[in-house]
Amino acid sequence: DIQMTQSPSSLSASVGDRVTITCQASHDIKNYLNWYQQKSGKAPKLLIYDASNLETGVPSRFSGSGSGTVFTLTLTNMQPEDFATYYCQQYGDLPVTFGGGTKVDMK
Amino acid sequence: QVQLQESGPGLVKPSETLSLTCSVSGGSFSSYYWSWIRQSPGKGLEWIGYFYNSGTTNYYYSPSLKSRVTISVDMSKNQFSLKVKSMTVADTAIYYCVGHVGQQMYYWGQGTLVTVSS
Repeated sequence: DIQMTQSPSSLSASVGDRVTITCQASHDIKNYLNWYQQKSGKAPKLLIYDASNLETGVPSRFSGSGSGTVFTLTLTNMQPEDFATYYCQQYGDLPVTFGGGTKVDMK
Repeated sequence: QVQLQESGPGLVKPSETLSLTCSVSGGSFSSYYWSWIRQSPGKGLEWIGYFYNSGTTNYYYSPSLKSRVTISVDMSKNQFSLKVKSMTVADTAIYYCVGHVGQQMYYWGQGTLVTVSS
């Protein structure tokens, strides 16, 4: 299985901050990576697909980059509704695997 | 808009078989892939398996669960199901059914908590 290592596992931020989350794959997955946001008690929501493509309706303050084994999710100008847990997911090979998550809470 | 709803027991005894059903509305089985994914505090999000229909129905399972898991579909009822044999405490999790395009997981059920306890 391809292991996905997310860092940090948690971070504290303030409204207006820029936040960067990293996901590292154990093998080259090209750009076969998605990012999800999960709020407490809810199912995950797709934010970014194919490493850098913003899903329809997702604010442009979210962006993704990377290829191969290292990927980043960046949130610029954090908003109150952005405090949540974020997960990466690779689909370069089966089984599909997820990172361990990054919980972003309010400083 | 595709909507999914899981149903099944919230409590299962160790060694028993879990059976969950996902009811689908607003989407055709032939248009999407359909997965079961679970989420536990200890292991995070874990993909269990998926199927898709392209004339024939093709099933894929996570190797770590393959020996205990069966996914099936009843298109006449717009439902698909998950069975997990020999449940243990480690299988305690929220179970989600998911509809996706390729491996982009767009549509999620609300999730159902399954606790394994005697």
